Amino acid sequence: GAGVSQSPSNKVTEKGKDVELRCDPISGHTALYWYRQSLGQGLEFLIYFQGNSAPDKSGLPSDRFSAERTGGSVSTLTIQRTQQEDSAVYLCASSLAESRAFGSGTRLTVV
Amino acid sequence: DQQVKQNSPSLSVQEGRISILNCDYTNSMFDYFLWYKKYPAEGPTFLISISSIKDKNEDGRFTVFLNKSAKHLSLHIVPSQPGDSAVYFCAASDHGSSNTGKLIFGQGTTLQVKP
Repeated sequence: GAGVSQSPSNKVTEKGKDVELRCDPISGHTALYWYRQSLGQGLEFLIYFQGNSAPDKSGLPSDRFSAERTGGSVSTLTIQRTQQEDSAVYLCASSLAESRAFGSGTRLTVV
Repeated sequence: DQQVKQNSPSLSVQEGRISILNCDYTNSMFDYFLWYKKYPAEGPTFLISISSIKDKNEDGRFTVFLNKSAKHLSLHIVPSQPGDSAVYFCAASDHGSSNTGKLIFGQGTTLQVKP
């Protein structure tokens, strides 16, 4: 597709359940980022993949969060044993050289 | 530790007037700064950027000013239009313009331009 695609666009889950969020980056983009935006907050960096290098996981808030990027393309962000404070919009972005594009995000609500 | 701060959560201006959005940063290693615009239910879109070797960059109605000594940047929109109403995020990088590093974002400022 022409842009970064994220699915689902909305997800409501019960506290304690695991969720998987998917990001399809722009074809050919070597870098992929996950951010989240909690209510009233800015964009919080979570994790960054660059080519075949080890990912920068410095922004993951706890060990319940993990992400992988298969084949240098699609990425999934997994949140285990979700908590109410995980409710946020999770944004994915991809970039190549000077072009960085964001997806529309997945709005996660933990009830 | 908030390395990039936008201290005004909201701003309201009249159509045709100037909008000035401010951003402060604490990390002196930041060498590239960007502004993003975000509409509801959409991802942020790139608006304008500035390298630390410059103090001003202009693109149409949008101008970004950088004051390195004060660790402050601002986005000027003139004239403001109702379609400019959105959330504006300031972001900073210590990887130059290569876009290969993570960006640190501010909290965002919601701009409302009244007709």
